[in-house]
Amino acid sequence: AQSVSQHNHHVILSEAASLELGCNYSYGGTVNLFWYVQYPGQHLQLLLKYFSGDPLVKGIKGFEAEFIKSKFSFNLRKPSVQWSDTAEYFCAVNAHGSARQLTFGSGTQLTVLP
Amino acid sequence: EPEVTQTPSHQVTQMGQEVILRCVPISNHLYFYWYRQILGQKVEFLVSFYNNEISEKSEIFDDQFSVERPDGSNFTLKIRSTKLEDSAMYFCSGRAEETQYFGPGTRLLVL
Repeated sequence: AQSVSQHNHHVILSEAASLELGCNYSYGGTVNLFWYVQYPGQHLQLLLKYFSGDPLVKGIKGFEAEFIKSKFSFNLRKPSVQWSDTAEYFCAVNAHGSARQLTFGSGTQLTVLP
Repeated sequence: EPEVTQTPSHQVTQMGQEVILRCVPISNHLYFYWYRQILGQKVEFLVSFYNNEISEKSEIFDDQFSVERPDGSNFTLKIRSTKLEDSAMYFCSGRAEETQYFGPGTRLLVL
């Protein structure tokens, strides 16, 4: 069975600080990787995704993530956060060949102080 | 841009009552899913649905749960006899190619 770990439960940053949120997954086969964001009171929105190819993927709102296969990691980064980035961030994977249901990490609450 | 919609946004029910949560996926999606998130816990997969039948379900999805897509648009999750531990946020999603798009969720509170 696949699993996803997000080690940071709550991150607090000041505006303009750089962000890196960790995500590690456990699965023996090929996976697709996702980061979703949930702004307060809103639904899960796709930030970015990795299926294959260039391991550095760029998403919306200046976010990017790097897939490191040897480390089973897919960390999310942003060079300079804004107050509006305050939200909960979820890493998720789905496995090739299944019904493609997502397995989520426990989420990281990011608070950006103005 | 089309979005997945869910109704109701909030539902309060008594233990033992039946609830039906509704979802309207985006029209070109073929795979549909229900997930739930108990307060303070992970988002968990419940069930996937394709071609008018369940394609996969988790151990959470027991006989108390059922899904259907009766009219080709609404995708419903029914909980026959709710328990206190069913209190959670329930999310519907539809999949286009490899990406799932989520609805805003229904917050279910069982008293």
